[in-house]
Amino acid sequence: DTAVSQTPKYLVTQMGNDKSIKCEQNLGHDTMYWYKQDSKKFLKIMFSYNNKELIINETVPNRFSPKSPDKAHLNLHINSLELGDSAVYFCASSQDQSYTQYFGPGTRLTVL
Amino acid sequence: DQQVKQNSPSLSVQEGRISILNCDYTNSMFDYFLWYKKYPAEGPTFLISISSIKDKNEDGRFTVFLNKSAKHLSLHIVPSQPGDSAVYFCAASARETGANNLFFGTGTRLTVIP
Repeated sequence: DTAVSQTPKYLVTQMGNDKSIKCEQNLGHDTMYWYKQDSKKFLKIMFSYNNKELIINETVPNRFSPKSPDKAHLNLHINSLELGDSAVYFCASSQDQSYTQYFGPGTRLTVL
Repeated sequence: DQQVKQNSPSLSVQEGRISILNCDYTNSMFDYFLWYKKYPAEGPTFLISISSIKDKNEDGRFTVFLNKSAKHLSLHIVPSQPGDSAVYFCAASARETGANNLFFGTGTRLTVIP
């Protein structure tokens, strides 16, 4: 069983479109995250959710919005996609107050 | 401003020898450090961690050393195996900014030559 899963694995879309990436974890963790890995391979946190509350929101455009229907899921919605949004997006989860985060396989987003 | 740095983008080592991956950080408030391993087209996988109250942590072939005065940590892999070939990320966290806020380095690509 995959501990942290993401769908889709690849996403190719046009500028201006709205898209979503789904993430699910079956580890029973309380906190979930979204990271962006840019073309320079720099992995940077975007959001985290703990018990349905946003606890980290770095300098991310408001076109990006996380949605958590329950503590096992944290989906990433992106509106009005731009070329610079092309990157690999990773979902992760951790037990509350634990430093160790477990990552999903990533979603490669390409905006044309 | 990148608070965690891995200055060597790549490293090649012969099978059976020791691999040493280095990581430097600037924030003296960091108190927990982790190493992640990443294969192509996969997410980072947790490898080993160390708290700032220790200077060494060992798990099988993997040992992490922490030098707080130098703000430096290193990952030693011995003996290196071809399956260790991957990108290794160093990460750090500070309790004051929240236990879950990890800062990552840009990674070092390790190639173990058979």
